[in-house]
Amino acid sequence: AQKVTQAQTEISVVEKEDVTLDCVYETRDTTYYLFWYKQPPSGELVFLIRRNSFDEQNEISGRYSWNFQKSTSSFNFTITASQVVDSAVYFCALSDSNAGNMLTFGGGTRLMVKP
Amino acid sequence: GAGVSQSPSNKVTEKGKDVELRCDPISGHTALYWYRQSLGQGLEFLIYFQGNSAPDKSGLPSDRFSAERTGGSVSTLTIQRTQQEDSAVYLCASSLDIYGYTFGSGTRLTVV
Repeated sequence: AQKVTQAQTEISVVEKEDVTLDCVYETRDTTYYLFWYKQPPSGELVFLIRRNSFDEQNEISGRYSWNFQKSTSSFNFTITASQVVDSAVYFCALSDSNAGNMLTFGGGTRLMVKP
Repeated sequence: GAGVSQSPSNKVTEKGKDVELRCDPISGHTALYWYRQSLGQGLEFLIYFQGNSAPDKSGLPSDRFSAERTGGSVSTLTIQRTQQEDSAVYLCASSLDIYGYTFGSGTRLTVV
């Protein structure tokens, strides 16, 4: 069965610090997709990135970067030069061949960026 | 529509009453999903539809929960005889395929 673990339940940093959110996943499928979502205090889920299992290339989007390593089943998310607006709960999720692309979510990491 | 629409956005109900939560997916999206997010928790998968069929109902927490989808479009999640532990945000998502996964804003259900 698939599983996603976000070991960090809460992280607090000071603005401009870099921060990495960890995500470890389990699946028996060879084809799967990994996601990161941001949930700000307003509650909506904001899509950040989707990565398929055949593409281990790291990705950078502005201050955000993702490190996908199949060897360690990890898909970590780094925010560079954090800002107060980055304060939110971040969820990592996995979709494999189960239940028509349903997402299995990690427990989330609450990031607090202090000015 | 342009996005996934859920109604009501907030619902307060008395313990023991039935509630219906509605989800309007993006037009043309064949798959529809329901998730539940309890206070301070992650998201829990409840059920998904492919067209009007729900191949897997094993995520529904109890037999008080049911869901249907009609016309390959609107879906309703019904909770009968609500309990306080049903209080949560219920999120709906729709997709055409794995690349078009879109969430609604959710319905916050409070059982008092």
